Amino acid sequence: EPEVTQTPSHQVTQMGQEVILRCVPISNHLYFYWYRQILGQKVEFLVSFYNNEISEKSEIFDDQFSVERPDGSNFTLKIRSTKLEDSAMYFCASSEDAGQGSEQYFGPGTRLTVT
Amino acid sequence: AQSVTQPDIHITVSEGASLELRCNYSYGATPYLFWYVQSPGQGLQLLLKYFSGDTLVQGIKGFEAEFKRSQSSFNLRKPSVHWSDAAEYFCAVGFMNTGFQKLVFGTGTRLLVSP
Repeated sequence: EPEVTQTPSHQVTQMGQEVILRCVPISNHLYFYWYRQILGQKVEFLVSFYNNEISEKSEIFDDQFSVERPDGSNFTLKIRSTKLEDSAMYFCASSEDAGQGSEQYFGPGTRLTVT
Repeated sequence: AQSVTQPDIHITVSEGASLELRCNYSYGATPYLFWYVQSPGQGLQLLLKYFSGDTLVQGIKGFEAEFKRSQSSFNLRKPSVHWSDAAEYFCAVGFMNTGFQKLVFGTGTRLLVSP
């Protein structure tokens, strides 16, 4: 069964450093998402991406964040200058369509620890 | 504003006993509701979803959920829990803002299964 994969599974970085989290969505999916979960809190929407453009972003997704689909298979989330409060589990998801009720398929997550 | 509440952070159930995980939502229009499960090291896997029709929906792994509009609830049930059901369970509502669905999650309920 096709699945969304994410690398690395765990990333430790120092405050102020740049990190890139990588995702390989399901191959025939067109819509891509990033969510995050700070320990003990809700899974929160960060951004959705379609046709090489951001379709929606939350207020969390400020200028320090960016997303890219650099080739036909990868979807990346970059944090330019990490802060302590960026420590969280980051989930990538993809879907075939984006209408209400559509199923989003999630990867296993990358745990980001900022020290 | 749309929100999802899962009042139970942890639940412990004996193997073979029945299970009910609670979910309440706040959403102005017809809700599209989802239950996801996350096993350790795995991504979020869709168990079931509801958006119209029969208010009792069947999902994978023997789970079902009942939509009750009057109570704004979408509780997840299983008649007989197996040790492999130990995981974290997330309720979510699908929210449309820009024409692309984003998921709004609850904080999750961690299910522990005792022998």
